[in-house]
Amino acid sequence: AQKITQTQPGMFVQEKEAVTLDCTYDTSDPSYGLFWYKQPSSGEMIFLIYQGSYDQQNATEGRYSLNFQKARKSANLVISASQLGDSAMYFCAMRDLRGTGRRALTFGSGTRLQVQP
Amino acid sequence: DTEVTQTPKHLVMGMTNKKSLKCEQHMGHRAMYWYKQKAKKPPELMFVYSYEKLSINESVPSRFSPECPNSSLLNLHLHALQPEDSALYLCASSQEGTGVPSQETQYFGPGTRLLVL
Repeated sequence: AQKITQTQPGMFVQEKEAVTLDCTYDTSDPSYGLFWYKQPSSGEMIFLIYQGSYDQQNATEGRYSLNFQKARKSANLVISASQLGDSAMYFCAMRDLRGTGRRALTFGSGTRLQVQP
Repeated sequence: DTEVTQTPKHLVMGMTNKKSLKCEQHMGHRAMYWYKQKAKKPPELMFVYSYEKLSINESVPSRFSPECPNSSLLNLHLHALQPEDSALYLCASSQEGTGVPSQETQYFGPGTRLLVL
């Protein structure tokens, strides 16, 4: 079974500073994908970044980067130069990528980020 | 274009009503999903359709009835709901069978906020 753990229920960061949101995972599957989503108060889940278990390099997408440490089973999201619009709930999620595996997402409990001016 | 649309945005219904939630995507995705999200919790998978066939049903009560009329549309029919069914209902879609995991990211719609009285 897959499990995602986000140990920070809430985080504060000053505008323009960088922030790291923690995510650890547990799985026995050799092939998996890790995702981060942002959910503003409006409710929509917005895809931010993806990391595959076999990817050699850490994923980056604009101000978002993923610090992937496979041996530690961690996939932390780093947001650089925080903006007020980054205030939202952030979910780490995992998906089994095997052809015969369960292909739905397993979510962590989320981290609420508040960016302060 | 990574847009998934959902209607209605808000729905209030009584326990004896019958209503439907609708989801539409025009990205050519062949997998579609229904998730239920209670306040301050992560989304929980309800159903998965793959190539218009139901592939996963997470032991959802029969008062929720999914339907996939074609590859672009996904409905969730609601009947005799309970107050505890009040939640945000999220639809998502993804590519399927590409062999490229990063291309099979799930994209979510804005959700329908359901209140059962």
